[in-house]
Amino acid sequence: EDQVTQSPEALRLQEGESSSLNCSYTVSGLRGLFWYRQDPGKGPEFLFTLYSAGEEKEKERLKATLTKKESFLHITAPKPEDSATYLCAVESYGQNFVFGPGTRLSVLP
Amino acid sequence: ETGVTQTPRHLVMGMTNKKSLKCEQHLGHNAMYWYKQSAKKPLELMFVYSLEERVENNSVPSRFSPECPNSSHLFLHLHTLQPEDSALYLCASSQGRGLGRSGNEQFFGPGTRLTVL
Repeated sequence: EDQVTQSPEALRLQEGESSSLNCSYTVSGLRGLFWYRQDPGKGPEFLFTLYSAGEEKEKERLKATLTKKESFLHITAPKPEDSATYLCAVESYGQNFVFGPGTRLSVLP
Repeated sequence: ETGVTQTPRHLVMGMTNKKSLKCEQHLGHNAMYWYKQSAKKPLELMFVYSLEERVENNSVPSRFSPECPNSSHLFLHLHTLQPEDSALYLCASSQGRGLGRSGNEQFFGPGTRLTVL
């Protein structure tokens, strides 16, 4: 059974304090791993797709990396507007799309 | 309109009411999805349509009935719901499903916040 776990469940950072979020997965053949950002009461906003181990993607203060078992979302010098829930999802070759529970990030000014 | 739109944004209904949620995608995608998001739970996939055919139904109670009249529109018809059905209902679309090497990024609408009294 395809599974996705995320840690930590919640993270509080001071503005400018860099950190990483973890997404661990087990899947029967990875087609893609996706990161989303979700603000309260809104739909998830697509950030990145990673396809194979060793791949990295960057956007502003965010950088996503992928290994065969997990992905990290690195946040460099975060700002209060980066506060949101970050969701990880995987798509398997069986066309199964599974979301993790998310990490709730708060960045304090 | 751009992206994925959903109406209404908020809905309050009684347990005996019948209502429908509407989703429209303006991205030229071929697959559409309904998800349920409850507090402190991961997104739950409810239904998947690919090229207007339902390809997945994840053991959803029959009080939820999807309809996909064309590749741009998706509906979720609701009847005799229970209070535990209160949640954020999200629609998403993707280019395709299981096509080629690439993953099929899903793009989400803003959601409908449903409250069942």
